[in-house]
Amino acid sequence: QVQLVESGGGVVQPGRPLRLSCAASGFTFSSSGMHWVRQAPGKGLEWVAVIWYDGSIKYYADSVKGRFTISRDNSKNTLYLQMNSLRAEDTAVYYCARDSSHYSVAYFDYWGQGTLVTVSS
Amino acid sequence: EFLLTQSPATLSLSPGERATLSCRASQSVSSYLAWYQQKPGQAPRLLIYDASNRATGIPGRFSGSGSGTDFTLTISRLEPEDFAVYYCQQRSNWPLFGQGTKLEIK
Repeated sequence: QVQLVESGGGVVQPGRPLRLSCAASGFTFSSSGMHWVRQAPGKGLEWVAVIWYDGSIKYYADSVKGRFTISRDNSKNTLYLQMNSLRAEDTAVYYCARDSSHYSVAYFDYWGQGTLVTVSS
Repeated sequence: EFLLTQSPATLSLSPGERATLSCRASQSVSSYLAWYQQKPGQAPRLLIYDASNRATGIPGRFSGSGSGTDFTLTISRLEPEDFAVYYCQQRSNWPLFGQGTKLEIK
């Protein structure tokens, strides 16, 4: 069965970096677009970034553009999110999610359990 | 600015009743709209995609309708496990979620 397991969350000071990972299994990772979606405490869902199945195309929400970098290692079935220059407003649960389409941005058909990032001094 | 607006913010109903949730887009998204269910402490779950198609394993009491700018998620007879927060999401103009509707037990 499809499994997505995030790791790397924790408490980090403003301005510091953090890297999240998402280990995928149960499907052909190298054929799937992947996303990061976040949810601030008590708030709604916010899309963060997408990466194409082969890593060739990446897009970001305006709120993280220039600070966050999405990447993947298809040999390790792992998705990453490098977060730099973190701000208090980046505090959220970060979910990795699989795109339901192989070749475009569509919907999120499988989600990980999420990892909490808290930006605080 | 592209917006998805869900209404009502909170819906109070009893098990066995019919639930009707609304999602309105500020511009047409054709049929490119999905619905998700999220329970406390859990990740969202895809219910409906392309406005009216049930995702794998989703019970038949969930149905979606609409196109253009107005969409509806209907739960025909509420089960206790259906009380949760529901989000709509469009894919027409980068992924964007509505603010959510909380379905609570009356």
